Amino acid sequence: NAGVTQTPKFRILKIGQSMTLQCTQDMNHNYMYWYRQDPGMGLKLIYYSVGAGITDKGEVPNGYNVSRSTTEDFPLRLELAAPSQTSVYFCASSYPGSADTQYFGPGTRLTVL
Amino acid sequence: GQNIDQPTEMTATEGAIVQINCTYQTSGFNGLFWYQQHAGEAPTFLSYNVLDGLEEKGRFSSFLSRSKGYSYLLLKELQMKDSASYLCAVRDPSGGGADGLTFGKGTHLIIQP
Repeated sequence: NAGVTQTPKFRILKIGQSMTLQCTQDMNHNYMYWYRQDPGMGLKLIYYSVGAGITDKGEVPNGYNVSRSTTEDFPLRLELAAPSQTSVYFCASSYPGSADTQYFGPGTRLTVL
Repeated sequence: GQNIDQPTEMTATEGAIVQINCTYQTSGFNGLFWYQQHAGEAPTFLSYNVLDGLEEKGRFSSFLSRSKGYSYLLLKELQMKDSASYLCAVRDPSGGGADGLTFGKGTHLIIQP
């Protein structure tokens, strides 16, 4: 199993550009999440999904959109990039259960200039 | 609201023991997680506590007191590779986000020879 994979690893965007961060998991997990991590800060939940076709906002959803057409994929879309979106983005997945942990992808480091 | 506090940085000596504390104030509680994160890498799961008491896993142990809103991570026989950030995270169903976690800012642990 590859686990959770993310592409790209690094990206530089200009203000106003758009892009999609890809996330795929092969563990057949129902739940998937997008977090962002800023330097010296904890991870903040952007969006999550409890299954294909179902998504909902987390703590910091403004400026982002998601979709979940399959169990495996959970892309994150930035429509109009802003410098405040410079961050490291982590995708995670889990199988719902009280003791089950979340498995994280390797992250995408995004810089908006 | 949700608030998770942990020290910003700690230093310890190779071969010694270190305790990293975490205090939390959340509307609900359904488990506390500890993750390890090496610089530039994804968080990886270390431990999970949902009931009061100590959970031991090799060199790492984690303790929880729900009445005090307190947890600690104990690392024994420290090795240089233990130099990393340690993230405390609480699952709070009342905060929304399905199984989404609320993270502290992390404790940067430095191991000296």
